[in-house]
Amino acid sequence: EVQLVESGGVLVTPGGSLTLSCTASGFTFTDAWMTWVRQAPGKGLEWVGRIKSKNVGGTSDHAEPVKGRFTISRDDSKNTLYLQMNSLKTEDTAVYYCTVGLRSDYWGQGTLVTVSS
Amino acid sequence: DIQMTQSPSSLSASVGDRVTITCRASQGISNYLAWFQQKPGKAPKSLIYGASGLQSGVPSKFSGSGSGTDFTLTINSLQSEDFATYYCQQYYSYPLTFGGGTKVEIK
Repeated sequence: EVQLVESGGVLVTPGGSLTLSCTASGFTFTDAWMTWVRQAPGKGLEWVGRIKSKNVGGTSDHAEPVKGRFTISRDDSKNTLYLQMNSLKTEDTAVYYCTVGLRSDYWGQGTLVTVSS
Repeated sequence: DIQMTQSPSSLSASVGDRVTITCRASQGISNYLAWFQQKPGKAPKSLIYGASGLQSGVPSKFSGSGSGTDFTLTINSLQSEDFATYYCQQYYSYPLTFGGGTKVEIK
Protein backbone atom coordinates (compact mmCIF):
# COMPACT_ATOMS: atom_id res chain seq x y z
CA GLU A 1 0.00 0.00 0.00
CA VAL A 2 1.37 3.40 -0.97
CA GLN A 3 1.79 5.72 2.01
CA LEU A 4 2.96 9.33 2.01
CA VAL A 5 3.34 11.17 5.31
CA GLU A 6 4.06 14.89 5.25
CA SER A 7 5.43 16.74 8.26
CA GLY A 8 6.95 20.06 9.23
CA GLY A 9 4.01 22.41 8.81
CA VAL A 10 3.89 25.15 11.44
CA LEU A 11 3.09 28.81 12.02
CA VAL A 12 5.94 30.98 10.70
CA THR A 13 6.37 34.73 10.36
CA PRO A 14 6.68 36.43 6.97
CA GLY A 15 10.22 36.26 5.64
CA GLY A 16 10.91 33.09 7.57
CA SER A 17 12.04 29.67 6.40
CA LEU A 18 10.72 26.16 6.77
CA THR A 19 11.42 22.68 5.45
CA LEU A 20 8.65 20.19 4.83
CA SER A 21 9.30 16.45 4.64
CA CYS A 22 7.37 13.64 3.00
CA THR A 23 8.24 10.07 3.95
CA ALA A 24 7.19 7.48 1.41
CA SER A 25 6.56 3.74 1.53
CA GLY A 26 4.82 1.02 -0.46
CA PHE A 27 6.49 1.73 -3.80
CA THR A 28 9.97 2.09 -5.27
CA PHE A 29 10.73 5.66 -4.24
CA THR A 30 14.03 5.68 -6.14
CA ASP A 31 12.20 5.29 -9.47
CA ALA A 32 9.42 7.78 -8.76
CA TRP A 33 9.02 11.35 -9.86
CA MET A 34 7.57 13.29 -6.93
CA THR A 35 5.41 16.40 -6.84
CA TRP A 36 4.32 19.05 -4.33
CA VAL A 37 0.82 20.56 -4.61
CA ARG A 38 -0.66 23.17 -2.27
CA GLN A 39 -4.12 24.39 -1.40
CA ALA A 40 -4.77 27.74 0.25
CA PRO A 41 -7.67 27.80 2.73
CA GLY A 42 -10.97 27.56 0.86
CA LYS A 43 -9.23 27.64 -2.51
CA GLY A 44 -8.35 25.22 -5.31
CA LEU A 45 -5.27 23.16 -5.99
CA GLU A 46 -1.98 24.71 -7.12
CA TRP A 47 1.04 22.84 -8.48
CA VAL A 48 4.22 23.82 -6.63
CA GLY A 49 6.82 21.74 -8.43
CA ARG A 50 8.27 18.31 -9.09
CA ILE A 51 11.53 16.43 -8.97
CA LYS A 52 12.54 13.69 -11.35
CA SER A 53 14.04 10.39 -10.28
CA LYS A 54 17.83 10.31 -10.15
CA ASN A 55 18.08 7.82 -12.98
CA VAL A 56 16.82 10.52 -15.36
CA GLY A 57 18.76 13.36 -13.84
CA GLY A 58 16.99 14.15 -10.57
CA THR A 59 16.26 17.72 -11.65
CA SER A 60 13.44 19.83 -10.29
CA ASP A 61 11.03 22.39 -11.72
CA HIS A 62 9.10 24.94 -9.69
CA ALA A 63 6.04 27.06 -10.29
CA GLU A 64 6.64 30.74 -10.97
CA PRO A 65 5.16 32.02 -7.65
CA VAL A 66 7.74 30.00 -5.68
CA LYS A 67 10.70 29.99 -8.08
CA GLY A 68 13.86 31.20 -6.37
CA ARG A 69 12.29 30.82 -2.90
CA PHE A 70 11.33 27.13 -2.72
CA THR A 71 13.55 24.13 -3.50
CA ILE A 72 12.46 20.53 -3.93
CA SER A 73 14.97 17.83 -3.10
CA ARG A 74 15.03 14.14 -2.25
CA ASP A 75 17.00 11.64 -0.20
CA ASP A 76 16.48 8.25 -1.79
CA SER A 77 18.36 6.51 1.05
CA LYS A 78 15.61 7.71 3.41
CA ASN A 79 12.67 7.48 0.97
CA THR A 80 12.04 11.12 1.77
CA LEU A 81 11.04 14.15 -0.29
CA TYR A 82 11.69 17.69 0.92
CA LEU A 83 10.40 21.18 0.25
CA GLN A 84 12.73 23.91 1.45
CA MET A 85 10.76 27.14 1.74
CA ASN A 86 12.53 30.50 2.15
CA SER A 87 11.35 34.12 2.19
CA LEU A 88 7.84 32.98 3.07
CA LYS A 89 4.92 35.24 2.28
CA THR A 90 1.42 35.35 3.71
CA GLU A 91 0.13 34.03 0.36
CA ASP A 92 2.14 30.84 0.90
CA THR A 93 -0.32 29.86 3.64
CA ALA A 94 -1.75 26.53 2.52
CA VAL A 95 -1.96 22.81 3.07
CA TYR A 96 1.01 21.26 1.27
CA TYR A 97 0.61 17.79 -0.25
CA CYS A 98 3.28 15.51 -1.65
CA THR A 99 2.17 13.26 -4.47
CA VAL A 100 3.59 10.42 -6.53
CA GLY A 101 4.33 10.98 -10.18
CA LEU A 102 3.69 13.80 -12.59
CA ARG A 103 -0.02 13.00 -12.68
CA SER A 104 -0.25 12.69 -8.86
CA ASP A 105 -1.52 9.12 -8.63
CA TYR A 106 -1.22 9.05 -4.83
CA TRP A 107 -1.45 11.84 -2.24
CA GLY A 108 -0.34 12.31 1.33
CA GLN A 109 -2.67 13.71 3.98
CA GLY A 110 -1.06 17.15 3.78
CA THR A 111 0.62 19.48 6.26
CA LEU A 112 -0.56 23.01 7.05
CA VAL A 113 1.81 25.93 6.70
CA THR A 114 0.59 29.22 8.12
CA VAL A 115 2.54 32.38 7.36
CA SER A 116 1.41 35.20 9.62
CA SER A 117 2.80 37.85 11.91
CA ASP B 1 0.67 28.64 -19.13
CA ILE B 2 -2.22 26.38 -20.09
CA GLN B 3 -5.50 27.50 -18.52
CA MET B 4 -7.94 24.81 -17.44
CA THR B 5 -11.57 25.86 -17.25
CA GLN B 6 -14.11 23.65 -15.51
CA SER B 7 -17.85 23.95 -15.80
CA PRO B 8 -20.05 24.19 -13.98
CA SER B 9 -18.33 25.51 -10.85
CA SER B 10 -21.05 23.84 -8.80
CA LEU B 11 -24.09 21.69 -9.36
CA SER B 12 -26.90 20.16 -7.35
CA ALA B 13 -27.91 16.59 -8.06
CA SER B 14 -29.94 13.81 -6.51
CA VAL B 15 -28.88 10.32 -5.51
CA GLY B 16 -29.11 8.13 -8.58
CA ASP B 17 -28.50 10.94 -11.06
CA ARG B 18 -25.90 10.92 -13.81
CA VAL B 19 -23.55 13.90 -13.64
CA THR B 20 -21.21 15.31 -16.27
CA ILE B 21 -18.43 17.80 -15.58
CA THR B 22 -16.55 19.55 -18.36
CA CYS B 23 -12.92 20.67 -18.47
CA ARG B 24 -11.51 22.76 -21.29
CA ALA B 25 -7.83 23.46 -21.92
CA SER B 26 -6.67 26.74 -23.44
CA GLN B 27 -4.53 24.77 -25.89
CA GLY B 28 -4.24 21.16 -26.95
CA ILE B 29 -2.96 18.76 -24.32
CA SER B 30 -3.48 15.46 -26.16
CA ASN B 31 -4.78 13.11 -23.44
CA TYR B 32 -2.52 14.33 -20.60
CA LEU B 33 -5.44 15.00 -18.29
CA ALA B 34 -6.24 13.73 -14.80
CA TRP B 35 -9.35 14.00 -12.62
CA PHE B 36 -9.36 14.17 -8.82
CA GLN B 37 -12.02 13.94 -6.15
CA GLN B 38 -11.71 15.86 -2.90
CA LYS B 39 -13.99 15.56 0.12
CA PRO B 40 -14.04 18.27 2.82
CA GLY B 41 -10.98 18.17 5.06
CA LYS B 42 -9.40 15.34 3.06
CA ALA B 43 -6.62 15.03 0.53
CA PRO B 44 -7.56 14.76 -3.13
CA LYS B 45 -7.81 11.29 -4.62
CA SER B 46 -6.91 10.39 -8.18
CA LEU B 47 -9.81 9.01 -10.23
CA ILE B 48 -8.77 9.20 -13.87
CA TYR B 49 -5.46 9.55 -15.73
CA GLY B 50 -4.71 9.83 -19.42
CA ALA B 51 -8.19 11.37 -19.87
CA SER B 52 -9.95 8.00 -19.67
CA GLY B 53 -7.84 5.58 -17.64
CA LEU B 54 -9.48 4.47 -14.41
CA GLN B 55 -7.19 4.39 -11.39
CA SER B 56 -6.96 1.09 -9.57
CA GLY B 57 -9.75 0.69 -7.04
CA VAL B 58 -11.93 3.46 -8.46
CA PRO B 59 -15.51 2.29 -9.23
CA SER B 60 -16.44 1.95 -12.89
CA LYS B 61 -19.29 4.42 -12.44
CA PHE B 62 -16.60 7.08 -12.94
CA SER B 63 -15.54 7.58 -16.53
CA GLY B 64 -13.53 10.14 -18.45
CA SER B 65 -13.38 11.06 -22.09
CA GLY B 66 -11.92 13.61 -24.45
CA SER B 67 -8.71 14.59 -26.17
CA GLY B 68 -7.09 17.79 -27.30
CA THR B 69 -8.89 20.62 -25.52
CA ASP B 70 -12.26 19.25 -24.37
CA PHE B 71 -12.74 16.66 -21.66
CA THR B 72 -15.56 15.30 -19.53
CA LEU B 73 -15.90 13.40 -16.29
CA THR B 74 -19.11 11.42 -15.95
CA ILE B 75 -20.42 9.93 -12.73
CA ASN B 76 -23.19 7.38 -13.13
CA SER B 77 -25.74 6.63 -10.43
CA LEU B 78 -24.60 9.29 -7.98
CA GLN B 79 -24.36 8.07 -4.39
CA SER B 80 -23.96 9.99 -1.13
CA GLU B 81 -20.23 9.28 -1.02
CA ASP B 82 -19.77 10.97 -4.42
CA PHE B 83 -20.74 14.41 -3.16
CA ALA B 84 -17.41 16.21 -3.27
CA THR B 85 -15.36 18.68 -5.29
CA TYR B 86 -13.81 17.47 -8.53
CA TYR B 87 -10.71 18.91 -10.20
CA CYS B 88 -9.12 18.37 -13.58
CA GLN B 89 -5.38 18.84 -14.17
CA GLN B 90 -3.24 18.93 -17.27
CA TYR B 91 0.21 17.34 -17.12
CA TYR B 92 1.11 18.05 -20.74
CA SER B 93 3.41 20.98 -20.06
CA TYR B 94 4.93 22.98 -17.22
CA PRO B 95 3.65 24.54 -15.13
CA LEU B 96 1.07 21.85 -14.48
CA THR B 97 -2.30 23.50 -13.97
CA PHE B 98 -5.60 22.60 -12.35
CA GLY B 99 -9.14 23.58 -13.14
CA GLY B 100 -10.98 25.68 -10.59
CA GLY B 101 -13.03 22.76 -9.32
CA THR B 102 -16.65 21.62 -9.53
CA LYS B 103 -18.54 21.17 -6.29
CA VAL B 104 -21.20 18.47 -6.51
CA GLU B 105 -23.87 19.02 -3.88
CA ILE B 106 -26.98 17.17 -2.82
CA LYS B 107 -30.23 18.54 -4.21
